Amino acid sequence: AQTVTQSQPEMSVQEAETVTLSCTYDTSENNYYLFWYKQPPSRQMILVIRQEAYKQQNATENRFSVNFQKAAKSFSLKISDSQLGDTAMYFCAFMKQGGSEKLVFGKGTKLTVNP
Amino acid sequence: DVKVTQSSRYLVKRTGEKVFLECVQDMDHENMFWYRQDPGLGLRLIYFSYDVKMKEKGDIPEGYSVSREKKERFSLILESASTNQTSMYLCASSLKNSPLHFGNGTRLTVT
Repeated sequence: AQTVTQSQPEMSVQEAETVTLSCTYDTSENNYYLFWYKQPPSRQMILVIRQEAYKQQNATENRFSVNFQKAAKSFSLKISDSQLGDTAMYFCAFMKQGGSEKLVFGKGTKLTVNP
Repeated sequence: DVKVTQSSRYLVKRTGEKVFLECVQDMDHENMFWYRQDPGLGLRLIYFSYDVKMKEKGDIPEGYSVSREKKERFSLILESASTNQTSMYLCASSLKNSPLHFGNGTRLTVT
């Protein structure tokens, strides 16, 4: 079974600074997807970024980028130029490709952006 | 945009009651999911369905059942609610090999 570990329950960062959230996972699969989801206080889970395991290039979405290290089974999220609206819970998630498409989540990191 | 709608944002029920949590999606997605979210535990999968009338147990199915009679609707049923089922419940849907789209969640309190 796959497991996802987020080792930082809480983090804080000053507005406009950069912060990195850690995520490691354990799997014997070779083909899979990794995701970062954001859950603000409104509770709506929002997809931040997606990475296919077969792609060596790290995914980027505006201020959000990942550092995907397949051999190390590591998938960290970097948020540049942090904004107050980035305050949220962030969940790392794993999905096996070609299977039942269910997501396995980490326990989350609560990020607070301070003014 | 995909819309996943959960019928209630907040729900309060008594121990022993039968509880229905409804979820509807409007994008013809094959897959639908019910997760439970608790502080410090993240999201845990209760049940999922990859087609009408199909269902599979997730990681914590005990005390729950589901129904998917139509493609757009996936219901979570608590046959006899207990206080340890007080939680946030999140419904999601997806296409094959695609990210999940989530509803706004139902915060259920069982007293």
